[in-house]
Amino acid sequence: GNSVTQMEGPVTLSEEAFLTINCTYTATGYPSLFWYVQYPGEGLQLLLKATKADDKGSNKGFEATYRKETTSFHLEKGSVQVSDSAVYFCALSGSQGGSEKLVFGKGTKLTVNP
Amino acid sequence: KAGVTQTPRYLIKTRGQQVTLSCSPISGHRSVSWYQQTPGQGLQFLFEYFSETQRNKGNFPGRFSGRQFSNSRSEMNVSTLELGDSALYLCASSLGGQGTGEQYFGPGTRLTVT
Repeated sequence: GNSVTQMEGPVTLSEEAFLTINCTYTATGYPSLFWYVQYPGEGLQLLLKATKADDKGSNKGFEATYRKETTSFHLEKGSVQVSDSAVYFCALSGSQGGSEKLVFGKGTKLTVNP
Repeated sequence: KAGVTQTPRYLIKTRGQQVTLSCSPISGHRSVSWYQQTPGQGLQFLFEYFSETQRNKGNFPGRFSGRQFSNSRSEMNVSTLELGDSALYLCASSLGGQGTGEQYFGPGTRLTVT
């Protein structure tokens, strides 16, 4: 079945540091890939997405490129801020029969210190 | 537009009891999915409803059930509660039908089973 593997962390960085969170996936067919973010005490929010190979999703300074050859979708940000502290989830959607089901990685907790 | 709302936000139940959680999707959204979030297992898909029909189901025992009403509101029920059912239950809505995987999450219901 479909699965997602991401570095679990926790990751602790200083403000303005470079961020990479690795994500790889196993899937049949051509899934869409996502990064969701969960701030303390809240539900998940869609951060960015990519629907086909070589697509780059970007939002709020975060980027991730859909790499079919390496089955990866690594999240990057050039300069993190304290407000980026949250848990980040990589996810895929297999789009089977129109289903919206998401398969998530375990999540990576990011803490950014001033 | 109002976001996804979930009630109640917090719930404490005793082992053996049953519980019903409610979710109101974003206006116009016809697909509602439920996820269980625990520290050990992460985010796991429970089920998905679209136009009052269950479209997909995860690997959970029959004690977990759900339904969707004609106004797209959804409820999930857990009978004969076990200690391991303690979790954050997240509801997510989407327009539905396209299988995009792009979902909007509510803040969750924190269920504690004692």
